[in-house]
Amino acid sequence: DQQVKQNSPSLSVQEGRISILNCDYTNSMFDYFLWYKKYPAEGPTFLISISSIKDKNEDGRFTVFLNKSAKHLSLHIVPSQPGDSAVYFCAASGGQWGGGADGLTFGKGTHLIIQP
Amino acid sequence: DSGVTQTPKHLITATGQRVTLRCSPRSGDLSVYWYQQSLDQGLQFLIQYYNGEERAKGNILERFSAQQFPDLHSELNLSSLELGDSALYFCASSETGGTKNIQYFGAGTRLSVL
Repeated sequence: DQQVKQNSPSLSVQEGRISILNCDYTNSMFDYFLWYKKYPAEGPTFLISISSIKDKNEDGRFTVFLNKSAKHLSLHIVPSQPGDSAVYFCAASGGQWGGGADGLTFGKGTHLIIQP
Repeated sequence: DSGVTQTPKHLITATGQRVTLRCSPRSGDLSVYWYQQSLDQGLQFLIQYYNGEERAKGNILERFSAQQFPDLHSELNLSSLELGDSALYFCASSETGGTKNIQYFGAGTRLSVL
């Protein structure tokens, strides 16, 4: 079963507007969430993270919001730029593999396309 | 550049064969993770090593094994390869092995099993 879900395979946004990418999770053990960005032929690049003790974390144009009661997080990109066109992955960790390990559980990604 | 190096970039082999993928973590990172990205499954955690010791296993097949050497580089061994093993294999590293760590990914090795 998918413990981290990104229900929108793709999203198209006009340059300069806000991009909102969503992610839902089911495992209550998750206590740390990350967003990664991936270009073709490259590995995932870390963008921003949030601990479950917070409900918001901001870094420049990127803000992540966490709603623990709804088991939902979102990534806001403002303003959206052409270079933001990529696949965005939501990931979660929380010791689900035991031993204090933090192998990440990923969603399947959302392909963000920024239109000029 | 994440600082994580994976070799080779591409690997083409036949069913039944064995291959070894190599990963050098970022300088100073003690933990190495292996992930598999296939078309239908997305990125899946395979195994984690911390300072030479296995820390956790995820969705890793028994035909696959890994190790981390004293210089902290890691190798993922895939044997008795099947067509379904064709995928991108990513290595990631982090400073420590505990939770709430940022993992930095290499560019991946694309494995094609023919």
